[in-house]
Amino acid sequence: GESVGLHLPTLSVQEGDNSIINCAYSNSASDYFIWYKQESGKGPQFIIDIRSNMDKRQGQRVTVLLNKTVKHLSLQIAATQPGDSAVYFCAENNDYKLSFGAGTTVTVRA
Amino acid sequence: KAGVTQTPRYLIKTRGQQVTLSCSPISGHRSVSWYQQTPGQGLQFLFEYFSETQRNKGNFPGRFSGRQFSNSRSEMNVSTLELGDSALYLCASSLGSSAYEQYFGPGTRLTVT
Repeated sequence: GESVGLHLPTLSVQEGDNSIINCAYSNSASDYFIWYKQESGKGPQFIIDIRSNMDKRQGQRVTVLLNKTVKHLSLQIAATQPGDSAVYFCAENNDYKLSFGAGTTVTVRA
Repeated sequence: KAGVTQTPRYLIKTRGQQVTLSCSPISGHRSVSWYQQTPGQGLQFLFEYFSETQRNKGNFPGRFSGRQFSNSRSEMNVSTLELGDSALYLCASSLGSSAYEQYFGPGTRLTVT
């Protein structure tokens, strides 16, 4: 079965607001996670990654939080823009392969 | 630095035929992975190659195969195509370890009729 899963398949956000996308994983031995963004007609684009020795990592307008106790990670997008509209995937990187969640479609309202 | 390139971008085949897809990784990347993306199953791992050796394989039938060349370029082949093989086939490259992020190409859209 699926080793990572997303909580919500869709998310509608007002432009300028913050977005939070959640993901749960089942393998407590998992130690490396990646968030990807996929726009229509394109391949997944690397956003940010986090390893199990960290709880938080920040990039440009994005923050990933990892809670190993409850096996949960989240992606926060600050000041969401129309260009952030896409499908977002969390993925577990292990044994030279990525295991993906089902994806959350983020729609930004003007 | 150029990204991952995949050829062809679009392909239409008939049931029973075979197809070969090609992937050129980012310069310096030695690991190439292949994924199948469909609306129903999402992104599914096919296989991963490093230095011409397959290190991991997903749960796909033997009709799906791949290989990697000495210059790290990779090909995947699907024989005896079925309607259900219609999908976006994505290639990703990385430096080589599970500890490194994978970067994806634009994919090859395969339609089987």
